[in-house]
Amino acid sequence: QQQVKQSPQSLIVQKGGISIINCAYENTAFDYFPWYQQFPGKGPALLIAIRPDVSEKKEGRFTISFNKSAKQFSLHIMDSQPGDSATYFCAASFNNQGGKLIFGQGTELSVKP
Amino acid sequence: DTGVSQDPRHKITKRGQNVTFRCDPISEHNRLYWYRQTLGQGPEFLTYFQNEAQLEKSRLLSDRFSAERPKGSFSTLEIQRTEQGDSAMYLCASSLRAGANVLTFGAGSRLTVL
Repeated sequence: QQQVKQSPQSLIVQKGGISIINCAYENTAFDYFPWYQQFPGKGPALLIAIRPDVSEKKEGRFTISFNKSAKQFSLHIMDSQPGDSATYFCAASFNNQGGKLIFGQGTELSVKP
Repeated sequence: DTGVSQDPRHKITKRGQNVTFRCDPISEHNRLYWYRQTLGQGPEFLTYFQNEAQLEKSRLLSDRFSAERPKGSFSTLEIQRTEQGDSAMYLCASSLRAGANVLTFGAGSRLTVL
């Protein structure tokens, strides 16, 4: 019930295409869902986050879509660029547990020029 | 402010040796977290501090692991009697209490146990 399952494990997209990464969770008490981006040799960096009271959040080329009834959320990267090539992690947490995040397994994104 | 700093970046040790990692958080952040990340996996929560108080420890933090944050500023994570299974990236993160969900991670300390 504490797991967050992420797919796909790896993704190859052409420059300008849309990258879509999916996550599913079991515990309906989760109330904060961030996405982190990690480049080789670096720590994860917060990209965008959503709470379950909204179905979509957009920041630039990055959009989170949230489906509360299906217990799923996804990251869409529009107009994908080679500089977006990184590993992406979804995560979930309980609001009263602050930064204790439960991460998915990660998706390695490669954007081909 | 240079972000969250971790030292050393890489540590190679022999099984049975003790190792210590240091984390310097963002200065105004009063929460500090330790996570462990193994190859091809997402980070796993180990423990966190609110100022100098260690408020929660994961089951992953065996008796061989100890973390301190003596003055509410930097933190150390010590692993005693290292085992090959301890090989991982140890990530430190910090946050403001008010925005506790928003973590800023350091680049990590990679441990290899031979």
